[in-house]
Amino acid sequence: EPEVTQTPSHQVTQMGQEVILRCVPISNHLYFYWYRQILGQKVEFLVSFYNNEISEKSEIFDDQFSVERPDGSNFTLKIRSTKLEDSAMYFCASSWKAGGGNEQFFGPGTRLTVL
Amino acid sequence: AQSVTQLGSHVSVSEGALVLLRCNYSSSVPPYLFWYVQYPNQGLQLLLKYTTGATLVKGINGFEAEFKKSETSFHLTKPSAHMSDAAEYFCAVSFSGGYQKVTFGTGTKLQVIP
Repeated sequence: EPEVTQTPSHQVTQMGQEVILRCVPISNHLYFYWYRQILGQKVEFLVSFYNNEISEKSEIFDDQFSVERPDGSNFTLKIRSTKLEDSAMYFCASSWKAGGGNEQFFGPGTRLTVL
Repeated sequence: AQSVTQLGSHVSVSEGALVLLRCNYSSSVPPYLFWYVQYPNQGLQLLLKYTTGATLVKGINGFEAEFKKSETSFHLTKPSAHMSDAAEYFCAVSFSGGYQKVTFGTGTKLQVIP
């Protein structure tokens, strides 16, 4: 069964460093998303991406964040200068089409720890 | 704005007992409602969803949920808990239009006692 994959599973970085989280969405999906879950808190929407551009972003997704689909398979989230409060589990998701009832398939997540 | 409230961050049931996880939503337009399950160290897996039509929705692993518009609720139930049901469960909402961010509740950790 097709699935969303994410690498690495765990990333440890120093405050101020840049990190890139990688995702491979399901191959025929067109819509891509990043969410994050701070430990003990709920899953929060960060950004959605379609047709090589951001379609929606939350207030969390400030200038420190960027997303890219560098080739036909990968979808990346870059944090330019990490802060302690960026420590969280980051989930990538993809869907075949937009529309509220369409299922988003989630990856296993990348746990980011900022020291 | 849409929001989701899950009552009870932790729920414990005995194996074989009824599972009831509560979810209430707030949405200014007709919602689409979801329940996701997260097993330890894994991603989010869709259990079931309500979009339109029948208000009682059946999902995987014997779970079901009923959309009650008058109560703005979408509670998750399972008649008989199994040890393998121990996980965290998230209720979520989205709505038509736009690129469909999903808004999640805070989650309920289900413990199943043998």
